[in-house]
Amino acid sequence: QMRLQESGPGLVKSSETLSLTCTVSGGSITNGLYLWTWIRQPAGKGLEWLGLIYPTGVTHYNPSLNSRLTVSIDTSKNKFSLDLRSVTAGDTALYYCARASVFCGGDCYVFEYWGQGSLVSVSS
Amino acid sequence: SELTQDPAVSVALGQTVTITCQGDSLRNSYAAWYQQKPGQAPLLVSFGLNNRPSGIPDRFSGSKSGSTASLTITGAQADDEADYFCNSRDTSGHHVFFGGGTKLTVL
Repeated sequence: QMRLQESGPGLVKSSETLSLTCTVSGGSITNGLYLWTWIRQPAGKGLEWLGLIYPTGVTHYNPSLNSRLTVSIDTSKNKFSLDLRSVTAGDTALYYCARASVFCGGDCYVFEYWGQGSLVSVSS
Repeated sequence: SELTQDPAVSVALGQTVTITCQGDSLRNSYAAWYQQKPGQAPLLVSFGLNNRPSGIPDRFSGSKSGSTASLTITGAQADDEADYFCNSRDTSGHHVFFGGGTKLTVL
């Protein structure tokens, strides 16, 4: 059974770097059929896609993050990570990692498996 | 690209309800739909043209017309009360968007 688990500090100071790790179990992170993604959700609000990484290490990011984001992958540990630099109060949210698949001949991005989320607060 | 959803929709128990997701990116892609209940991670319920993950009841169905994707719940149950989000990809295929979400109330 595929399972994803986020881990990292729950509190980060403003202007510092938010770092989270997603540990994948029940399958290999090197499987070329899947993409590994980060999504966040401020309290009471909607979902925001942050970025994704292929097993090869190729990444794509949400342009709104203004180059503050780096997603990396450690295939030896079956984990992938997020580093968000220069955080502000606006980065306070529940951060999810998820496994994505592409279906419909490339026209569907589908998030099949999600972690339970890691709540991160940014303090001044 | 943006995806627009109605903020709130209500349906009487046992009736049919359609939740929509509108955006230009949907002209060249399909939507996936997620159900999110309070305190839980989103759950994939439909994607593309009426595809469902195993374990999702067949009362959930997805469709698309032009730039609008729809999730239809036929015979809504009390357990279907939740927030519903859509997502699609952009034309490059490298970026993903979510709709703002629709809060479904079952009366």
